[in-house]
Amino acid sequence: DQQVKQNSPSLRVQEGRISILNCDYTNSMFDYFLWYKKYPAEGPTFLISISSIKDKNEDGRFTVFLNKSAKHLSLHIVPSQPGDSAVYFCAASSLGGATNKLIFGTGTLLAVQP
Amino acid sequence: DTEVTQTPKHLVMGMTNKKSLKCEQHMGHRAMYWYKQKAKKPPELMFVYSYEKLSINESVPSRFSPECPNSSLLNLHLHALQPEDSALYLCASSPLGQDNTGELFFGEGSRLTVL
Repeated sequence: DQQVKQNSPSLRVQEGRISILNCDYTNSMFDYFLWYKKYPAEGPTFLISISSIKDKNEDGRFTVFLNKSAKHLSLHIVPSQPGDSAVYFCAASSLGGATNKLIFGTGTLLAVQP
Repeated sequence: DTEVTQTPKHLVMGMTNKKSLKCEQHMGHRAMYWYKQKAKKPPELMFVYSYEKLSINESVPSRFSPECPNSSLLNLHLHALQPEDSALYLCASSPLGQDNTGELFFGEGSRLTVL
């Protein structure tokens, strides 16, 4: 049973336009959400996160929106750049535990075309 | 030093071999993790160590044996693996307590092929 889902396996966007990556979760105990970016042959690198007490977090070109009632979050990248092309994973956890047991989504491959 | 270093980057082994994957971090993190990622799948948690003690084992088969000899090192000992165990094995670390931001810091992974 996939608790974190990314229903779009791939997304193609023109350089300079907005990229919107979506993520849905089923477990209402999740209270912390993260986005990771992964290039081939590299480990995932942390991008941005959001706590369930917020509905928006912004860091430069990256903004994450959280809709708790819909159990949905999205990552907006604007403007998109060719260097953003990578696989993006959504992850969720419950911060009540001592360690960070992240549950990952299936990933979305973003291709930003020049 | 903000890196998690994994060795080897690539490993090919037979089903009767015994090998080990190694992970090292010098960020002072007291939690370390092993994740497994198969092609076109998300990373899946295998083990978590907290203060050098095993705190989570996600029902991983005993042919995978983790070890945390000290706060900087994490090993994964492999024995009698199956071809379906071929995957990218990712190590991660995180702080504990007040320094914990909820984030995991990942290494680049060890690509394992079992013949």
